[in-house]
Amino acid sequence: DIQMTQSPSSLSASVGDRVTITCRASQTVDTYINWYQQEPGKAPKLLIYAASHLQSGVPARFSGSGSGTDFTLTINSLQPEDFAVYFCQLNYSDRPFGQGTKLEIK
Amino acid sequence: QVQLQESGPGLVKPSETLSLTCTVSGDSVNSPNYYWSWIRQPPGRGLEWIGYVYFNGNTNFNASLKSRLTMSIDTPKNQFSLKVRSVTAADTAFYFCGRWSVVKSAVDYWGRGTLVTVSS
Repeated sequence: DIQMTQSPSSLSASVGDRVTITCRASQTVDTYINWYQQEPGKAPKLLIYAASHLQSGVPARFSGSGSGTDFTLTINSLQPEDFAVYFCQLNYSDRPFGQGTKLEIK
Repeated sequence: QVQLQESGPGLVKPSETLSLTCTVSGDSVNSPNYYWSWIRQPPGRGLEWIGYVYFNGNTNFNASLKSRLTMSIDTPKNQFSLKVRSVTAADTAFYFCGRWSVVKSAVDYWGRGTLVTVSS
């Protein structure tokens, strides 16, 4: 089974900061990675699919990159509504999610 | 606007069967462009993909749950459903239904989720 390891598990930042969240696959997965945002008490929301494609309606300050085993989600100029939990997901096989990264206000 | 809404009992006894339905509006479950999916999340924990059902009834399940799952699709009602047999406390979770885009290979629309507790 392919395992997805996300880091860090939590992150403190300020409005206006640039943050990066990483996801590592236990074996090469090409660009088969999605990123989701989950606000407290809500369903996840798709941000990035196929590693780098921005979902319609998602602000351009969100971007994704990577291929093979290492992937990153970058948020430029953090806004108050961006403080949430972020998950990566492999989009085939058992479609495992990463453990999540909680982005908190510093 | 695509909307999905989960429904079903919020409490299930151990060893019984958990049954949930997802009602879709703004799209058709008869579309070949999407897989109709279930994902769950134990309270305070991470996400687990359960599986999906396709418009033609084909299914694909998480290997760890496969032996206990049934999924089906009801085109006239524009619904799809999930059954998990022989539940234990480990099946307590928020259950989300979602639309998995074939093109994007991602869940692009989610239901709000429903909490199912397994307890006697």
